[in-house]
Amino acid sequence: GAVVSQHPSRVICKSGTSVKIECRSLDFQATTMFWYRQFPKQSLMLMATSNEGSKATYEQGVEKDKFLINHASLTLSTLTVTSAHPEDSSFYICSAREPGGPGTDTQYFGPGTRLTVL
Amino acid sequence: LAKTTQPISMDSYEGQEVNITCSHNNIATNDYITWYQQFPSQGPRFIIQGYKTKVTNEVASLFIPADRKSSTLSLPRVSLSDTAVYYCLVGVSYGGSQGNLIFGKGTKLSVKP
Repeated sequence: GAVVSQHPSRVICKSGTSVKIECRSLDFQATTMFWYRQFPKQSLMLMATSNEGSKATYEQGVEKDKFLINHASLTLSTLTVTSAHPEDSSFYICSAREPGGPGTDTQYFGPGTRLTVL
Repeated sequence: LAKTTQPISMDSYEGQEVNITCSHNNIATNDYITWYQQFPSQGPRFIIQGYKTKVTNEVASLFIPADRKSSTLSLPRVSLSDTAVYYCLVGVSYGGSQGNLIFGKGTKLSVKP
């Protein structure tokens, strides 16, 4: 299957700082990427949909000014957590949709980024 | 988007066949059914996807009845390494659509020796 990478895999930062997480589709072009957040022992929660060349679409309750998303190219989307606080500590996962024939789009997920805010 | 219901957990032993059933009563005409596997602190891994009847690949089979209101993921001869959380997702998956996938709680499969 297609490969999606994330960087960094783990980050620890001080409260009030900003953290950028990169998501790359390595062997395919992704016009749409998704960002999820997962707290311990819970399911993935969709945060936003990132579209190449346009503004991201955020899910209800997700602050767009706090979680900045940039989809600058067909293989790269970035999530910046601005002014991070301890409650933002979580596992952040991106996914990219690999375009296929009608009805065969499949999302492939990155390995995740563990963010710890002190 | 169709909501899914799965058992919270299942136990099995090595070498057994495991069947995990997912209910999705409100599935729409264009919706595909996709199953993912997730290990702790890793991103979900695509297992299999189908629209109707039966789909089989090298790791699993997916059975979908005619009314498509449920689906069953079948894992043949599980091993300890199959211990993970399995998610059933239903979403719009028609070329070029903006549909996204909403994760339910998943099924935690524990394989014992």
